[in-house]
Amino acid sequence: AQKITQTQPGMFVQEKEAVTLDCTYDTSDPSYGLFWYKQPSSGEMIFLIYQGSYDQQNATEGRYSLNFQKARKSANLVISASQLGDSAMYFCAMREGRGDSWGKLQFGAGTQVVVTP
Amino acid sequence: NAGVTQTPKFQVLKTGQSMTLQCAQDMNHNSMYWYRQDPGMGLRLIYYSASEGTTDKGEVPNGYNVSRLNKREFSLRLESAAPSQTSVYFCASSESAYGGYTFGSGTRLTVV
Repeated sequence: AQKITQTQPGMFVQEKEAVTLDCTYDTSDPSYGLFWYKQPSSGEMIFLIYQGSYDQQNATEGRYSLNFQKARKSANLVISASQLGDSAMYFCAMREGRGDSWGKLQFGAGTQVVVTP
Repeated sequence: NAGVTQTPKFQVLKTGQSMTLQCAQDMNHNSMYWYRQDPGMGLRLIYYSASEGTTDKGEVPNGYNVSRLNKREFSLRLESAAPSQTSVYFCASSESAYGGYTFGSGTRLTVV
């Protein structure tokens, strides 16, 4: 069963606007971590932001923030003030704390973001 | 620069050929991983090594073998390449199951 779902295959956003990338996850483990990665056209995986399941506050890193809604199992990425360099594929990923998935990152299918002038 | 180094960056194989993808990290991380990335499917785990001396299957292990040569190096071997193994392969490492992950730059493999 798919554990990470990203429902937006692609989206366009205008420069300087904010954009929200959706991510829902499925786990019964109370201990888990959620990650967002950026993959530009050059192909490397760039870590953006992390949210732990026990973190009380939403994670923020510069222009990136994570809208963590635990009850809804949602971990949306918000990019404020989009820049042309934000054009990339964005992946949501989860690491569960126990069981067979211990320590392993599981990825969603990704959302392609294109920032237009 | 500290990080994860993968070689080669590009490779073309004929069906049935074998090859080994190399991965080395210099961050003294315990855990290492091999993922493959196919269009529309995100990254899928092939094999991982939680610590030196241990390896385990991930989501898509068929057709692959791995070796954790030492703490730094984790190689992925294709014994008899098939067109279905055409993909981009990423190696990653983490200090522990709870640490952050660092990815290599990837190997683009084409099997014809």
